[in-house]
Amino acid sequence: GEDVEQSLFLSVREGDSSVINCTYTDSSSTYLYWYKQEPGAGLQLLTYIFSNMDMKQDQRLTVLLNKKDKHLSLRIADTQTGDSAIYFCAVPRDSNYQLIWGAGTKLIIKP
Amino acid sequence: DAGVIQSPRHEVTEMGQEVTLRCKPISGHDYLFWYRQTMMRGLELLIYFNNNVPIDDSGMPEDRFSAKMPNASFSTLKIQPSEPRDSAVYFCASRASGQGYEAFFGQGTRLTVV
Repeated sequence: GEDVEQSLFLSVREGDSSVINCTYTDSSSTYLYWYKQEPGAGLQLLTYIFSNMDMKQDQRLTVLLNKKDKHLSLRIADTQTGDSAIYFCAVPRDSNYQLIWGAGTKLIIKP
Repeated sequence: DAGVIQSPRHEVTEMGQEVTLRCKPISGHDYLFWYRQTMMRGLELLIYFNNNVPIDDSGMPEDRFSAKMPNASFSTLKIQPSEPRDSAVYFCASRASGQGYEAFFGQGTRLTVV
């Protein structure tokens, strides 16, 4: 079945770039998503990329997609304390069009 | 729209008691999902509905869990009897078909069973 894997933690210094990685197994996904969960809150869509794209940039966020390796990454430039959150990668399962979630990567910002 | 609304935000109950979690999806959304989030297991899909009909309940852990969606604007997740291992944050999410797969989440209900 579909599987989505992420590292559980990432620690970066304030002002540095953060790169959160995700690998998935399904090869026919259309959209791939990044969600952000701040402490005590629900998940919110952060950004997404369509599967025919290699890269998408949105202000400080850059999403890279390597379809051959089934690898998705989220880069946050100039990481700020407000970026502290858990970041989830989500990939649709084709059989029923529902999202398969990674375990989430907790981004820790060091001063 | 106020987004997906869940109630209560926090629930503390004693083992063996019945717990009912409530969700109001975004108006016009025809999919509704119930998720459970724990440190150990991450985010788990429990059940989802399409047009008020349960489609996949394979994630419901046991018969103690049940979910209903009597109409397009309301759903409940019930645990009876509750156990300490049910302690988790329960999220409701909704989405509209034909608009990608983006799901909109509620704030969650933090359930503690003592």
